[in-house]
Amino acid sequence: EVQLVESGGDLVQPGRSLRLSCAASGFTFDDYAMHWVRQAPGKGLEWVSGISWNGGTIDYADSVKGRFTISRDNAKDSLYLQMNSLRLEDTALYYCARYSFDSNGFYHFLDHWGQGTLVTVSS
Amino acid sequence: DIQMTQSPSSLSASVGDRVTITCRASQSIATYLNWYQQKPGKVPKVLIYAASSLQSGVPSRFSGSGSGTDFALTISSLQVEDFATYYCQQSYTAPRTFGQGTKVEIK
Repeated sequence: EVQLVESGGDLVQPGRSLRLSCAASGFTFDDYAMHWVRQAPGKGLEWVSGISWNGGTIDYADSVKGRFTISRDNAKDSLYLQMNSLRLEDTALYYCARYSFDSNGFYHFLDHWGQGTLVTVSS
Repeated sequence: DIQMTQSPSSLSASVGDRVTITCRASQSIATYLNWYQQKPGKVPKVLIYAASSLQSGVPSRFSGSGSGTDFALTISSLQVEDFATYYCQQSYTAPRTFGQGTKVEIK
């Protein structure tokens, strides 16, 4: 069974840093790209960042570019999100999700999600 | 960045109704379009990928259509368990943007 378990969420002051982790199990972690998606309280889904299976391709939403860094450790089956210079608007539930693909490898979608870890930025 | 715009933002429907939600991309994304369902307090679940391919285990009353910039998610006969918020997402290029969501409520 595929499992994704996020951790590291906390209450932090604006300008501070936080590192989120996502522990993966039940599948071959380095076969898949992985993404972070966030959801502010009562709001919609916002794609945050994605990383290819080997870390060779990394993308960010404009809202976090230059402040957040995604990384992975395939030896530990783990995904990370280093969040610096946090802002009030970064308050959200942060989901780790597996980026799966169809049988031809052309189409990609988020097929498994963790339960999320809550980041609250407040003074 | 590609903007994804869903309509309507919310709708009220009855069990058994046929429901259609639309999603428009700000530029062509071919068929790189996914649909997700999220129930309150739950994790999102993929329903449709590649605009019209049904994810394994998803009931056949869900269907997707479209290409280029205009897409639709149709529920042929709405069931109680389908009351939820639906999101489209483009997987054509980064950033892989979501639509703002469409909340389907009970009439």
